[in-house]
Amino acid sequence: DSGVTQTPKHLITATGQRVTLRCSPRSGDLSVYWYQQSLDQGLQFLIQYYNGEERAKGNILERFSAQQFPDLHSELNLSSLELGDSALYFCASSGRGTLSSYNEQFFGPGTRLTVL
Amino acid sequence: GQQVMQIPQYQHVQEGEDFTTYCNSSTTLSNIQWYKQRPGGHPVFLIQLVKSGEVKKQKRLTFQFGEAKKNSSLHITATQTTDVGTYFCAATYNFNKFYFGSGTKLNVKP
Repeated sequence: DSGVTQTPKHLITATGQRVTLRCSPRSGDLSVYWYQQSLDQGLQFLIQYYNGEERAKGNILERFSAQQFPDLHSELNLSSLELGDSALYFCASSGRGTLSSYNEQFFGPGTRLTVL
Repeated sequence: GQQVMQIPQYQHVQEGEDFTTYCNSSTTLSNIQWYKQRPGGHPVFLIQLVKSGEVKKQKRLTFQFGEAKKNSSLHITATQTTDVGTYFCAATYNFNKFYFGSGTKLNVKP
């Protein structure tokens, strides 16, 4: 158990809909990362937050947005969903009290999104 | 844009054979991390390399960082069925964004 929790575990929805994925980082971790992993594919970095502020942006679509709240949990919002958005979405956290690229990332179990 | 290339995409070995996966970048890396993802699981951190030419070992796993900090490798000696999974490298440029390689999927036949 990495200490990172993600809800829901599975999500099935229809095209055009909007969903919110939730992540709670390890206790004390200030950085939260979001990744998308399509079937049998690599990890696509979406976005990173550090202590409530956006820190780095990857290949995140304009239809997607994220935020990190004062209690450090994070939400990833996906809107106008398309079939191609079906994937496993991972959240990871790192950096107890520090912002550093040298910190290992602890991944949550992921949310499997299926868009029908 | 900056990206890290990882090869091979797949590797099938007989139990007891060795395995190596490589990550290559066209630009100098700040550091590189390696992760393992078991089938149906989430990525788990294995190791981090920071210094030029660094070599680290974890039991049967040997990790190397190139002298120019542009490439890295993970070598497993005498694979076991428990080594099955996908191995990812994660490269950092300029101490900022993480770029994951596409992963090498290892299958070990008993």
